[in-house]
Amino acid sequence: GQQVKQSSPSLTVQEGGILILNCDYENDMFDYFAWYKKYPDNSPTLLISVRSNVDKREDGRFTVFLNKSGKHFSLHITASQPEDTAVYLCAAGADTGYQNFYFGKGTSLTVIP
Amino acid sequence: EAAVTQSPRNKVTVTGGNVTLSCRQTNSHNYMYWYRQDTGHGLRLIHYSYGAGNLQIGDVPDGYKATRTTQEDFFLLLELASPSQTSLYFCASSDDKNNYAEQFFGPGTRLTVL
Repeated sequence: GQQVKQSSPSLTVQEGGILILNCDYENDMFDYFAWYKKYPDNSPTLLISVRSNVDKREDGRFTVFLNKSGKHFSLHITASQPEDTAVYLCAAGADTGYQNFYFGKGTSLTVIP
Repeated sequence: EAAVTQSPRNKVTVTGGNVTLSCRQTNSHNYMYWYRQDTGHGLRLIHYSYGAGNLQIGDVPDGYKATRTTQEDFFLLLELASPSQTSLYFCASSDDKNNYAEQFFGPGTRLTVL
């Protein structure tokens, strides 16, 4: 089964708005959680990540919240801008001796000016 | 200077063809990965490697071989290409020194199998 699931294939928000992207995972051994951003015809780049020893990490307009008991993490984007328009991929992994990550299918975000 | 490069950037082959996708990283990273990206599936891990000579099976390995010849170079081999392997392939590298550091992706190789 799919290890990491993103509930929304797409989202649209007005410029300046707040949005939340959600990700659920299966393996309660996962201890690393990340959000990657991908523009069309470009490769993914890391946006923000968090380890399981914290439940929140903030970086400017971007905040990731982790709910380990619910096996859920989310990305909050405030003051959204047209340049935020992209595909957002969540990823999670566990230390099994080898580093391996599972990616969600992605959420396509459109910010309308 | 791009730290993860892939070649070729585009490739067209026929069913049954033999294809090698190349990836080179200059990050001095131990980990390298091959993913495929398909609409509706996101990124799926094919193979990955901890270092030269090491190979680990990912989530969708069927029909693919891989070889890590040096710390810098990781190759993905399709010995009998099929149309189902038409996809966008990404290579990535990561540093294990601090555990779960950022994955750096190459620009991608678009493969079409006719």
